[in-house]
Amino acid sequence: QQQVKQSPQSLIVQKGGISIINCAYENTAFDYFPWYQQFPGKGPALLIAIRPDVSEKKEGRFTISFNKSAKQFSLHIMDSQPGDSATYFCAAGGGADGLTFGKGTHLIIQP
Amino acid sequence: GAVVSQHPSRVICKSGTSVKIECRSLDFQATTMFWYRQFPKQSLMLMATSNEGSKATYEQGVEKDKFLINHASLTLSTLTVTSAHPEDSSFYICSARLSGANVLTFGAGSRLTVL
Repeated sequence: QQQVKQSPQSLIVQKGGISIINCAYENTAFDYFPWYQQFPGKGPALLIAIRPDVSEKKEGRFTISFNKSAKQFSLHIMDSQPGDSATYFCAAGGGADGLTFGKGTHLIIQP
Repeated sequence: GAVVSQHPSRVICKSGTSVKIECRSLDFQATTMFWYRQFPKQSLMLMATSNEGSKATYEQGVEKDKFLINHASLTLSTLTVTSAHPEDSSFYICSARLSGANVLTFGAGSRLTVL
């Protein structure tokens, strides 16, 4: 049973637009929600992360919105650039356990 | 910042041989390391959790006798794929957790191709 559902599977956004990727989780014990960016042939790199005690976190052009009651969180990329084209994974975890990843979103930013 | 080094980045081996992949935390101690497997255009699937000085905990469906994990020190965990077969070809990625923290740092991954 998949514990973290991510959508959309793929996304095309024009340069300068807003990219939005959504995730939903099931396990209420999760208390750490990171987003990772992965380029082809590379390992995932932490982009931004949030804990359930806040509803939003912003770092530069990247914002996480978190809705604890709905068990959902999303990544917003403002002013999307071609260099943002990559695969993005949401994840959720807690305590000593490893992260559970969403299936990923292949993002393409068109110039 | 925390850096995790993974070696080798690419390895090609013949079917039936064993391959060892190393995961090192370069500037921090990691009591826990995680090994993931990723097939092309798919997500990361947790294979096992490696704790320093104790046996690894494997996820359901992962053969512990095939994927041997050793976490002998606070900075090194190894994954050995024994008697590798073509279906073991994949991208293997390790991650390490800074002791006392919840942040995971990932290695760059190791591409295994079994001929």
